[in-house]
This record gives sequence, structure tokens and C-alpha cells, in this order.
Amino acid sequence: GESVGLHLPTLSVQEGDNSIINCAYSNSASDYFIWYKQESGKGPQFIIDIRSNMDKRQGQRVTVLLNKTVKHLSLQIAATQPGDSAVYFCAENGVWDGNKLVFGAGTILRVKS
Amino acid sequence: DVKVTQSSRYLVKRTGEKVFLECVQDMDHENMFWYRQDPGLGLRLIYFSYDVKMKEKGDIPEGYSVSREKKERFSLILESASTNQTSMYLCASKDRGGSPLHFGNGTRLTVT
Repeated sequence: GESVGLHLPTLSVQEGDNSIINCAYSNSASDYFIWYKQESGKGPQFIIDIRSNMDKRQGQRVTVLLNKTVKHLSLQIAATQPGDSAVYFCAENGVWDGNKLVFGAGTILRVKS
Repeated sequence: DVKVTQSSRYLVKRTGEKVFLECVQDMDHENMFWYRQDPGLGLRLIYFSYDVKMKEKGDIPEGYSVSREKKERFSLILESASTNQTSMYLCASKDRGGSPLHFGNGTRLTVT
């Protein structure tokens, strides 16, 4: 099917290695951040979120790090598996526009077996 | 788990046809959204609704309208489909404030 990933940066990792996907967000007033995973032919799926009063949050095999000083967000995936292959998006939400999310362009993660 | 259901996975329509894309969510969320997703352009917001009968334009509302007669249902309408509206359309819902969007699996619309 048609790829949503045209011209997106690609991260290739070996199965079992850790992955780090980075995102620079745009607005210093953003106070809520989300990571999504989108597999081919599916809608984006919520992975993990973090609020601006935190700098780290852990989930199952995933960790999100927030650096407000440089407006940077990262998603770490431990022991990457083939099923992790997808496009990953970050999104930000700010008090100025509480119900709308601003999405990053996305990063393709390819896991090599 | 939140479930957002889009009525069609694939649609093929002719130029000039009126097209309805339907979306239903089961979590009593106030907010619902329609996005389109195109290669190289990412997710772009078409319209959103924060309550029944309320709607707000997103970033690319031209050529589209929406309807929200019931809280759980949000419809996207293409009054007269054009080939540049060929795209993947994604519906989403969310609770108030800082909370994640929950997406449906999308409708891939082709206008010929």
C-alpha cells in the first residue's frame, strides 16, 4: 500500500538492540507530549505520554525523555523487536490550544532480524 | 480500551460525487477530529468538534464540511469530491485537556 513514510528519516536497528527516536518540538509553552506508533495500513497508536512537570517516564519496554531546555523529546525502545517496525510520531499539546495536537513528521524504524 | 471505528477502510469515488466518511467512538469523548495523511505532508487537521453540534476549522478545511449530531459520531463530508482529495483520512477522539488522541484505522479514499 501507499507509504506514509515518504522522505522521512529512517532508523535501522538490529533485533535485540535498543532504539532511540528523537523529536524536536516547536513551542516552549507545550505542556503535554505523546508518542505514537503507526504500522502500515493502520491508524496511529498511542504508546506513551509525558507532562512537562516530568523529565522521564517509563512504560513497558519504552521510556520517554523530555528536555525542556532544548525542546527535545526522545523515545527509547528496549530490546527492539521486528514488531516494533513502524513510523513513530511525536505530538505536543499546549495550554494555548488545549484540544489540538501538533504532530512531528515522523521517523521510520526498521528492525533487522 | 477506546475504540474509534471508521465505517469504510477503502472507498473509490468519482470526481464531483458527494462523499460521507463516518466515525464512531465508544468512550464518551467530547472531542473528535478529522485528519488527512499524505506522504511527505504528515497529519493535517481538517476539522474538529468539542461538543455536539459544535465544529471548528482545522488547518485545511477547504472542500470539506463536518457534522456532529450525536456525541459518539463525527462525519466528514466532501461536498464535491476532487482528485486532490485522494488521501488517507483518519478520525480521532480524545477526552478534555492534556490527554492522548485515539485514532481509527483510517479510510483510504481514492477519487478518480
